[in-house]
Amino acid sequence: RKEVEQDPGPFNVPEGATVAFNCTYSNSASQSFFWYRQDCRKEPKLLMSVYSSGNEDGRFTAQLNRASQYISLLIRDSKLSDSATYLCVVNNPGAGSYQLTFGKGTKLSVIP
Amino acid sequence: DAGVIQSPRHEVTEMGQEVTLRCKPISGHDYLFWYRQTMMRGLELLIYFNNNVPIDDSGMPEDRFSAKMPNASFSTLKIQPSEPRDSAVYFCASSLNNEQFFGPGTRLTVL
Repeated sequence: RKEVEQDPGPFNVPEGATVAFNCTYSNSASQSFFWYRQDCRKEPKLLMSVYSSGNEDGRFTAQLNRASQYISLLIRDSKLSDSATYLCVVNNPGAGSYQLTFGKGTKLSVIP
Repeated sequence: DAGVIQSPRHEVTEMGQEVTLRCKPISGHDYLFWYRQTMMRGLELLIYFNNNVPIDDSGMPEDRFSAKMPNASFSTLKIQPSEPRDSAVYFCASSLNNEQFFGPGTRLTVL
């Protein structure tokens, strides 16, 4: 089983739509969770951390389900500028909490 | 404030040649990471340093790869000899706490 699994997509959605991505992770001892965003031919950048109680940042909502070992990202009112690849990221416990494992990403295209 | 700086941005070389990638982390960051990204495998951690000391190099594919961090402001990743399968984008990232800041990457093509 892969450590972090994501649906590669692509997700093609119209502007204004709501879209959700899920991610599963294999190590139940992982403690830190993130969503990174990567634009085409650019470096990954932190979008948001994911907290146990769920958290929201504007149009973006992240949820964590520890029992099922999955993380979700919800984007409301999609904008053209949201088109990117979204990477699910978890830390590797025991190896040092700063060591991260990245999923391969889910590609989102927001269409006019 | 400057972010993570990597050079060169693009490198095209022939099989068998030595390749050296360079990274300058964000000042004050005590962790430095080297990643490789390909379509097939995604983003893979190669090695990381804490306070200039290599902590985990289990992701380094083989002996042809080596990395050094002689001081807090500079690190290199060397491939010798290079092979076509090493073609990828190599990212350097640094962090102080949980968030990792990535450099723009070096796009390596080995012919």
